[in-house]
Amino acid sequence: DTAVSQTPKYLVTQMGNDKSIKCEQNLGHDTMYWYKQDSKKFLKIMFSYNNKELIINETVPNRFSPKSPDKAHLNLHINSLELGDSAVYFCASSPWGPTGQGNSEAFFGQGTRLTVV
Amino acid sequence: GQQLNQSPQSMFIQEGEDVSMNCTSSSIFNTWLWYKQDPGEGPVLLIALYKAGELTSNGRLTAQFGITRKDSFLNISASIPSDVGIYFCAGKDYNQGGKLIFGQGTELSVKP
Repeated sequence: DTAVSQTPKYLVTQMGNDKSIKCEQNLGHDTMYWYKQDSKKFLKIMFSYNNKELIINETVPNRFSPKSPDKAHLNLHINSLELGDSAVYFCASSPWGPTGQGNSEAFFGQGTRLTVV
Repeated sequence: GQQLNQSPQSMFIQEGEDVSMNCTSSSIFNTWLWYKQDPGEGPVLLIALYKAGELTSNGRLTAQFGITRKDSFLNISASIPSDVGIYFCAGKDYNQGGKLIFGQGTELSVKP
């Protein structure tokens, strides 16, 4: 049983194309996130959704558009891909608000390695 | 913006040695987390800390939440080859939707 699953795992595409990454969680969490990991392994939040509502948008170019059809899904669509978009993108989910419990912190998916050529 | 400084950036140790890594922040966090990332995988939570001064263990791992709430350390005792990976500290910001602010990571290599 995969808690947070994202597809595809690998994505190679040409500059200028539009692509989507899908994410689903079966943990019943209210909040979902997209994080970007660059070539130096630095992890930075991009977006956060709570119950299908956008909570955080960390000055990400508007070529990136997240969509949450329901609280178990958060997809990421990227328009007009650029070379600098190459990175590993992680979806994560967590309960909303302070939990005080280690087993209720953010769970991450396996990542999608995006390569723009 | 908020930043976490994690050190060291990398460590090369012999199997059986103890390891220590730490994080400092320019701002206070109410929750500190330590994650491990294996190659080709997403980060996996190791330890969560919720109270200033709290010391928590998970097997051979021990982590502490600093009294000032601006720092945390992670110790690994008697390292084994499967400890290899990248360890990240993260501060959780409840004022911003629970987003995690990550440190730069510590890449650990263990020589058998």
